[in-house]
Amino acid sequence: QVQLQESGPGLVKPSETLSLTCTVSGYSISSGYYWGWIRQPPGKGLEWIGSIYYTGSTYYNPSLKSRVSISVDTSKDQFSLNLSSVTAADTAVYYCVRDFRVTWGFEYWGQGTLVTVSS
Amino acid sequence: QSALTQPASVSGSPGQSITISCTGTNSDVGGYNYVSWYQQHPGKAPKLMIFEVSNRPSGVSNRFSGSKSGNTASLTISGLQAGDEADYYCTSCTTSSTYVFGTGTKVTVL
Repeated sequence: QVQLQESGPGLVKPSETLSLTCTVSGYSISSGYYWGWIRQPPGKGLEWIGSIYYTGSTYYNPSLKSRVSISVDTSKDQFSLNLSSVTAADTAVYYCVRDFRVTWGFEYWGQGTLVTVSS
Repeated sequence: QSALTQPASVSGSPGQSITISCTGTNSDVGGYNYVSWYQQHPGKAPKLMIFEVSNRPSGVSNRFSGSKSGNTASLTISGLQAGDEADYYCTSCTTSSTYVFGTGTKVTVL
C-alpha cells in the first residue's frame, strides 16, 4: 500500500522560505509516476502547486511558478517543496500526492500538514 | 489559469439524486477527458471518486457517476446517504500540462 507523509516546520515567518518534505513508503519513487503538492488555505478550496517526475522534470502552477521549487531524492524515496517569500496568504494545509499522468488524477494523498505564516 | 466553476452548495434528501456541475473552458475541461472528482470530509484528505470523466476507482460506490458535455463536467450522486455529506472538488488537466481545481461544492444531506 502506497503511503505518503509530509514533514516540516508548522510555523514560518513572513518573507522566509517554506520547506516541506514528503516521504513515500510502499513504492519506489524511481519506479515512475509524478509526485506533487496541493494546498488548501483554512476554510477554502484546493490549489495544485506543482509536480515532479523521478527524473526531475517539473510542472508548476503558473500563479506560483516564480516562488516554487520541487525536488526529488530517489535514494530516500522523498520529494520536497520550497516556497519562497511567503506571506500570510500561504498559510494552508499542504498535501503531498501521487500524480498519475495517464489518467490525470491523484489517487494517493498524505494526511496533510498545516503551515502557518506568522511573525 | 482560472479555477473551474462549481456551485457553492447542493443539497438533497436521503435516497434522492443530486448533480454537481464543474464548468471550465476549451483549454481544460472541454479539451480533454481528464476530469477527476474528489470527496473531502472535514479534517480529512480528499479522496478520489471519479477519474477520466466517468471511471470509478476500485472500492468507490457505483452510486457515484460522472459525465461531461462540452466545457461542463458533472458528478451525480444517486441514493444520497448521510455519509455523502462532504465537500466535492473537480479537477482537470490543462493545455499546459498543469492542473486546475474547481471552486468546491458543499453537499448537504437534509
